[in-house]
Amino acid sequence: GQQLNQSPQSMFIQEGEDVSMNCTSSSIFNTWLWYKQEPGEGPVLLIALYKAGELTSNGRLTAQFGITRKDSFLNISASIPSDVGIYFCAGQLGGNQFYFGTGTSLTVIP
Amino acid sequence: DTGVSQDPRHKITKRGQNVTFRCDPISEHNRLYWYRQTLGQGPEFLTYFQNEAQLEKSRLLSDRFSAERPKGSFSTLEIQRTEQGDSAMYLCASSLVTDTEAFFGQGTRLTVV
Repeated sequence: GQQLNQSPQSMFIQEGEDVSMNCTSSSIFNTWLWYKQEPGEGPVLLIALYKAGELTSNGRLTAQFGITRKDSFLNISASIPSDVGIYFCAGQLGGNQFYFGTGTSLTVIP
Repeated sequence: DTGVSQDPRHKITKRGQNVTFRCDPISEHNRLYWYRQTLGQGPEFLTYFQNEAQLEKSRLLSDRFSAERPKGSFSTLEIQRTEQGDSAMYLCASSLVTDTEAFFGQGTRLTVV
């Protein structure tokens, strides 16, 4: 199966700081999705990307579809305590299954 | 429609018992996916349906696992003769065929004792 690696694995930041995380793949994808998951809950879709080079924002979140189609980046500006959770990237090729990354755990210190 | 609904939210069962989970997708979503997630890992693909047709199955889906979507609406995932290794969160997601955004339910947490 496809391997998606996310980095960093975990982050501890002060409230108000900006956050950057990325996701890399050994294969190309046509679609990149970013999800946030809180304990005991299902993943919640944050941003969807459909085109290489695309930059999309959702409030304080900004994500980019890498030019090589093998990577994607997520930035969170001015973090707040409710940003705490695990962030997953997911890639899709050909309209079939989604492959998920290993996750980035975010802790925001008030 | 409030989103993807899964039932039950939690299930504790004894090893060797059969369990069945239900997923109700978002209305008009033709695609339905099942994923499994263990602690500290990302979701792993199990299977997906387009309408009532099961189009892809993962090698993770052993003979003890079966999924159905008989009328192209809700889906069930059954695990027969459960093992401790089946303990995980089982997630369901749905999407439109032409729109690849996939929305997840809250999951069913299975504990096999």
